[in-house]
Amino acid sequence: GNSVTQMEGPVTLSEEAFLTINCTYTATGYPSLFWYVQYPGEGLQLLLKATKADDKGSNKGFEATYRKETTSFHLEKGSVQVSDSAVYFCALTKTGANNLFFGTGTRLTVIP
Amino acid sequence: EAGVAQSPRYKIIEKRQSVAFWCNPISGHATLYWYQQILGQGPKLLIQFQNNGVVDDSQLPKDRFSAERLKGVDSTLKIQPAKLEDSAVYLCASTPLRQGPSGTQYFGPGTRLTVL
Repeated sequence: GNSVTQMEGPVTLSEEAFLTINCTYTATGYPSLFWYVQYPGEGLQLLLKATKADDKGSNKGFEATYRKETTSFHLEKGSVQVSDSAVYFCALTKTGANNLFFGTGTRLTVIP
Repeated sequence: EAGVAQSPRYKIIEKRQSVAFWCNPISGHATLYWYQQILGQGPKLLIQFQNNGVVDDSQLPKDRFSAERLKGVDSTLKIQPAKLEDSAVYLCASTPLRQGPSGTQYFGPGTRLTVL
């Protein structure tokens, strides 16, 4: 079946620290991979995505590379800010379908 | 462009009562999704509509949950009767018709349901 396994949180970092949130997936075919983010008091919104192997998605200083050989899509940012505090969800859509399969989410808190 | 609207934002009911949630997708978006997000878990798809037809309702507990999208725009999700384990945030999302699996889903703010 299709599933996403995310690094458990919560994660607390100091401002300007390096961030990695691990995500691995199980899927048949060629899924599209996503990171969605939920800021406090707001709805889920797309952060970045990648649709094929070796693609790199990037946005707002965040990056993630679609690694088919390790079935991973780890989220990274070189220098986090307080405003990055949020819950981050890794997700996939399976080939030929539009519905999202989500991981459990990782709560990030960045302290000044 | 207005986003996905949902109401109410919060609802508290007792078990065995019924409840309904409403969603208005982004104008022109033909595909609409309802997700259930239990505390500490990621959202899980309940039902997907394309216009007013059901595409996928395989994860919808049909003995108590129902959903409709009569005119292909607004949608209502109902629970009757509610159980304690239905306490969750119910998310609505929408996408344009011709968007494939790599497209962006646009989410509403959600309805937080507490069943006592």
